[in-house]
Amino acid sequence: AQRVTQPEKLLSVFKGAPVELKCNYSYSGSPELFWYVQYSRQRLQLLLRHISRESIKGFTADLNKGETSFHLKKPFAQEEDSAMYYCALSSVGSYQLTFGKGTKLSVIP
Amino acid sequence: EPEVTQTPSHQVTQMGQEVILRCVPISNHLYFYWYRQILGQKVEFLVSFYNNEISEKSEIFDDQFSVERPDGSNFTLKIRSTKLEDSAMYFCASSEGPANEKLFFGSGTQLSVL
Repeated sequence: AQRVTQPEKLLSVFKGAPVELKCNYSYSGSPELFWYVQYSRQRLQLLLRHISRESIKGFTADLNKGETSFHLKKPFAQEEDSAMYYCALSSVGSYQLTFGKGTKLSVIP
Repeated sequence: EPEVTQTPSHQVTQMGQEVILRCVPISNHLYFYWYRQILGQKVEFLVSFYNNEISEKSEIFDDQFSVERPDGSNFTLKIRSTKLEDSAMYFCASSEGPANEKLFFGSGTQLSVL
């Protein structure tokens, strides 16, 4: 069975500080990993996916198969980054996303 | 940008009643999904729908649940006889391709079963 773990329920950082939101997964095959974000009073939306290897809003995430991790990083946090962040996994041939419980990021001005 | 639309935003019902949650996916998308999130818990997959049939469903999606695309635009989730534990935020989503493509989520329907 596949599982996604986000160990931090809440992460508070000061504006300008680096951010790392942790995500670990459990899956025996070759996964596809995603980060979704939900800003206050907005809908869940895709932030980035590992297959694209892109940087969105200054965020990056690297898939580390050895450590089964897909941590989300940003070198300098902004107040507008405050949101709920969900790591998610999709497996080959499956239609479903498996989500982690989410981490609430709070950027302190 | 096109959006997935869900109605109603809130639904209150009595235990044992039937509810229908409605969604209008993005018009050129081919894959449709329902997810739910019980307060304080994970977003959980319920069902995916493609080519007018269920393509995958989770253990949560038992005989009390059904989905339908009645008219080529709406995508509905029906719960036949609601239970207290069905209280959750229900999200509809759609995508051009399967789940490894970008999912577009609706803003959700908060279902409260009393």
